[in-house]
Amino acid sequence: VQLVESGGGLVKPGGSLRLSCAASGFTFNTAWMNWVRQAPGKGLEWVGRIKSKTDGGTTDYAAPVKGRFTFSRDDSKNTLYLQMNSLKTEDTAVYYCTTALRGRYYGMDVWGQGTTVTVSS
Amino acid sequence: DIQMTQSPSSLSASVGDRVTITCRASQSINSYLNWYQQNPGKAPKLLIFAASSLQSGVPSRFSGSGSGTDFTLTIGSLQPEDFATYYCQQTYSSPVTFGQGTRLEIK
Repeated sequence: VQLVESGGGLVKPGGSLRLSCAASGFTFNTAWMNWVRQAPGKGLEWVGRIKSKTDGGTTDYAAPVKGRFTFSRDDSKNTLYLQMNSLKTEDTAVYYCTTALRGRYYGMDVWGQGTTVTVSS
Repeated sequence: DIQMTQSPSSLSASVGDRVTITCRASQSINSYLNWYQQNPGKAPKLLIFAASSLQSGVPSRFSGSGSGTDFTLTIGSLQPEDFATYYCQQTYSSPVTFGQGTRLEIK
């Protein structure tokens, strides 16, 4: 069971970046997938989630990113995406993809290693 | 949004000590409360789910209790590898929210 993020890097304020999260070892197409971020020296912040297509495939976004970030998934590739637009310096963080194999209420038990996004001029 | 408040924010303890971290929700979350451990530069690790269920592979010195709005994480006898930061998280409703974290340091 594994999640591997990629796509992080340095981007200027106002720029865009797309993160990917490759899943393996579990049934990706039934999993609700989350993004969680952690700014340098700060705590954990839930960015949002995308439900499985069987549960409607809808998305929920945290207020700070709503309208700027978009989640998507390609179940044929077992891959989750995070499209980040209009980036701000306060979006600088390590971004983790994560899921709860028991179901959304029961704790996120699978995490990627994280990918670092730095927004700076 | 449901606010999660942990206390203390930091804690100094010695190997062998028993420690308790508390987490309070701003409204009832039934038992949809999870605890994570995070070491520097690493992803969080799930310790306890549904307030009191021990995640597979987690040592039994970790335990959780509570329901409604008040929860605790107890470490029965601290080991050197337990010095880390701990977070509570509610998954009762969206948006999912975390406590601010408790940093457990060696005395």
